[in-house]
Amino acid sequence: TQLLEQSPQFLSIQEGENLTVYCNSSSVFSSLQWYRQEPGEGPVLLVTVVTGGEVKKLKRLTFQFGDARKDSSLHITAAQPGDTGLYLCAGGSNYKLTFGKGTLLTVNP
Amino acid sequence: NAGVTQTPKFQVLKTGQSMTLQCAQDMNHNSMYWYRQDPGMGLRLIYYSASEGTTDKGEVPNGYNVSRLNKREFSLRLESAAPSQTSVYFCASSEASVPSNQPQHFGDGTRLSIL
Repeated sequence: TQLLEQSPQFLSIQEGENLTVYCNSSSVFSSLQWYRQEPGEGPVLLVTVVTGGEVKKLKRLTFQFGDARKDSSLHITAAQPGDTGLYLCAGGSNYKLTFGKGTLLTVNP
Repeated sequence: NAGVTQTPKFQVLKTGQSMTLQCAQDMNHNSMYWYRQDPGMGLRLIYYSASEGTTDKGEVPNGYNVSRLNKREFSLRLESAAPSQTSVYFCASSEASVPSNQPQHFGDGTRLSIL
């Protein structure tokens, strides 16, 4: 069974601060996806990384895939209240995704 | 664009009752999935259908059955509901069966309570 561990589980910060969320596994994945979920809604894809060492930027969000394709990180610069939500990483293998338990981020004004 | 539509949005059942959760996608996707989301447990795969006409068990299939009715529709059935099945259920779809680098598109969930 492939497992993805996310840390921290909860994160509460002030507007303007920077933060990093981690996603780690002992398994190799063909891809690593990051989703954000808001209350009462389904997860929405933020980014997919497929190459070891790959870095992708989405405005203030920076995603990195580990060289060995076993881990990933999400860095948010100058967090805003609109960034509040549950951030989920998911590892892809064949036609399935294995999800981490998520990081619940709260950005206070 | 509707994307992935789940019905109903909320449901309360008594222990032992049965019900079917419906899911339809309008993106012509090949693969469809059913997940449950519980506090502290994340999203866990119940069943999936890699392509029309096929279904396979995921991580937590016990107590559930599925039907891939056609390419658009994938239903989840609880034959005899138990309180442990109280959860939020999400349906998702994906364009490609293999490999899994394609994003999954989720519905807004069905919130199911079993008393």
